[in-house]
Amino acid sequence: QVQLVQSGAEVKKPGASVKVSCQSSGYTFTTYYLHWVRQAPGQGLEWMGIINPSGGSTNYAQKFQGRVTMTWDTSTSTVHMELSSLTSEDTAVYYCARPFFYYDGSGQGYYYDYWGQGTLVTVSS
Amino acid sequence: QSALTQPPSVSGAPGQRVTISCTGSSSDIGAGYDVQWYQVLPGTAPKVLIFGNTNRPSGVPDRFSGSKSGTSASLAITGLQAEDEADYYCQSYDFTLSGVVFGGGTKLTVL
Repeated sequence: QVQLVQSGAEVKKPGASVKVSCQSSGYTFTTYYLHWVRQAPGQGLEWMGIINPSGGSTNYAQKFQGRVTMTWDTSTSTVHMELSSLTSEDTAVYYCARPFFYYDGSGQGYYYDYWGQGTLVTVSS
Repeated sequence: QSALTQPPSVSGAPGQRVTISCTGSSSDIGAGYDVQWYQVLPGTAPKVLIFGNTNRPSGVPDRFSGSKSGTSASLAITGLQAEDEADYYCQSYDFTLSGVVFGGGTKLTVL
């Protein structure tokens, strides 16, 4: 069965960087893009970006450009998301999510069918 | 500020029907991009309820339905049950941002 397993919780100081991992299993790693979404305490879902594990192309949300780097490791079927220059506003649960592409006759698109369990990143001095 | 606008909260008694609106713009929903709806229970990852504006994945009860018109979409829940108490998010794509956009989320309370 498909699983996305993320790395454990992190506590970082302001100005530091954090790297969160997401290991995939149960499907061919290179055939699905992976997205990163975060949710701050009491806040909504926020899209951070996408990585294509087949070749490594990325697309980052404008808000995070210059601060986020997404990488991949085919040998371990793992994608990584590194966020730098952390502030308290980066305290959130970070999720990786797999998009499932569909065509329903009237249009096409994708939705997230599998999610990681989430990684809590706490930024505190 | 989220790209898509949802009411912060809605409520209803068991058995009743509630709707949650999701208002976008000409660069996302109005541009023809599909809307997805997710349910988020405390401490869990989001679960898709509706994709492609109106479609339910297998396993999602037919009490949940979606619609889209112009720059807005709606999620309707009929026959409210206590287990439906959760946060609900709409999601689409914005071509000016070249990325996915979410609504701010709506907390559903079952009275």
